Amino acid sequence: DTAVSQTPKYLVTQMGNDKSIKCEQNLGHDTMYWYKQDSKKFLKIMFSYNNKELIINETVPNRFSPKSPDKAHLNLHINSLELGDSAVYFCASSQDPWGGRNTGELFFGEGSRLTVL
Amino acid sequence: LAKTTQPISMDSYEGQEVNITCSHNNIATNDYITWYQQFPSQGPRFIIQGYKTKVTNEVASLFIPADRKSSTLSLPRVSLSDTAVYYCLVGDLNTGRRALTFGSGTRLQVQP
Repeated sequence: DTAVSQTPKYLVTQMGNDKSIKCEQNLGHDTMYWYKQDSKKFLKIMFSYNNKELIINETVPNRFSPKSPDKAHLNLHINSLELGDSAVYFCASSQDPWGGRNTGELFFGEGSRLTVL
Repeated sequence: LAKTTQPISMDSYEGQEVNITCSHNNIATNDYITWYQQFPSQGPRFIIQGYKTKVTNEVASLFIPADRKSSTLSLPRVSLSDTAVYYCLVGDLNTGRRALTFGSGTRLQVQP
């Protein structure tokens, strides 16, 4: 079973469209994340949710809206897509964001490659 | 958040030891150092984590000097399958802001 799964794996769309990427984790983790990896391979966090509550929102345009129906799912909806949104989007999860002996290891999905034409 | 600097790329041959150094001059007292590995078309995967001195696991070793302003990931006897991008990440495990920007990583190419 895939621990963190994203769909779709590839997405090609036109500028101005609205699209969603779904993410599910079966690890029982409390925290989920969305990252964006650009063509230069920089991997930047966009959002983080802990038990369905938004805890990190990193200067992302409000065209991007995460939704967490439950702690095993974190979906990303993007409105009015622009050329600059083309990237690989990674979903990740971790056991919890707070201290203790937890290494904070992030478990990533395989990514969703979004191409905006 | 401590900014990290790594070499953009490195080349090696099978069987050699590879050392990748990461600079993090403004690392904070509570920050840990974590390394991830990313293969093409896959998400990053946790390799190793440390706070100071040396940490070793079945995959790699992590060396952290006393001032903690840098760290070195050591891969013993690399193989072709170690060709990947390696990311150094610095963050405070005690807050929710430990997992931010990974940077551009170091692309390791292992030749036969």
